[in-house]
Amino acid sequence: QKEVEQNSGPLSVPEGAIASLNCTYSDRGSQSFFWYRQYSGKSPELIMSIYSNGDKEDGRFTAQLNKASQYVSLLIRDSQPSDSATYLCAVNMGSSNTGKLIFGQGTTLQVKP
Amino acid sequence: EAGVTQFPSHSVIEKGQTVTLRCDPISGHDNLYWYRRVMGKEIKFLLHFVKESKQDESGMPNNRFLAERTGGTYSTLKVQPAELEDSGVYFCASSLNRESSAFFGQGTRLTVV
Repeated sequence: QKEVEQNSGPLSVPEGAIASLNCTYSDRGSQSFFWYRQYSGKSPELIMSIYSNGDKEDGRFTAQLNKASQYVSLLIRDSQPSDSATYLCAVNMGSSNTGKLIFGQGTTLQVKP
Repeated sequence: EAGVTQFPSHSVIEKGQTVTLRCDPISGHDNLYWYRRVMGKEIKFLLHFVKESKQDESGMPNNRFLAERTGGTYSTLKVQPAELEDSGVYFCASSLNRESSAFFGQGTRLTVV
């Protein structure tokens, strides 16, 4: 079992729809969770960080964390073609917050006009 | 404010040669990380500096890889001698502290032929 798992996709949604990206992680003691967006050939760009159970909203993005289920998700409302990218889930694994990130393989999102 | 910068952006070298990658973190960020993505795989942690000290080098593949951060500012990652399997994109990231978000550079694409 991988430490951080994501469906590689591609996930295809029409413009204006809600895109839902999911991620599970193996270490129940993990405390910090991040979503990065990566356009082809570019660097990972931080979109959201979440540390507590529940929802965290920032503009069109909502991160959801459920530590009991070891599950973190990212919702993108009113999806735009410019949101088409690979979305990386990253976990600061373990309870000691070392700063070391474990990445999932990424989910490719395609938003069709 | 300048982000994390990496140099060079691309490097093509022959097997057996030496390559040195450089990373300049965001000013004031004590934590500096090196990651690598080989084709088709997820981004993987290589090592972590706090200022000039190596905190965790558990991800370094073997002793052909040497990372330094003299003076606690920029860092270099040397591969000597390079092998074909070292090809990939090498990312550098920095953060203010271990709990805070890490910001990534644009990466160095290394091709060993």
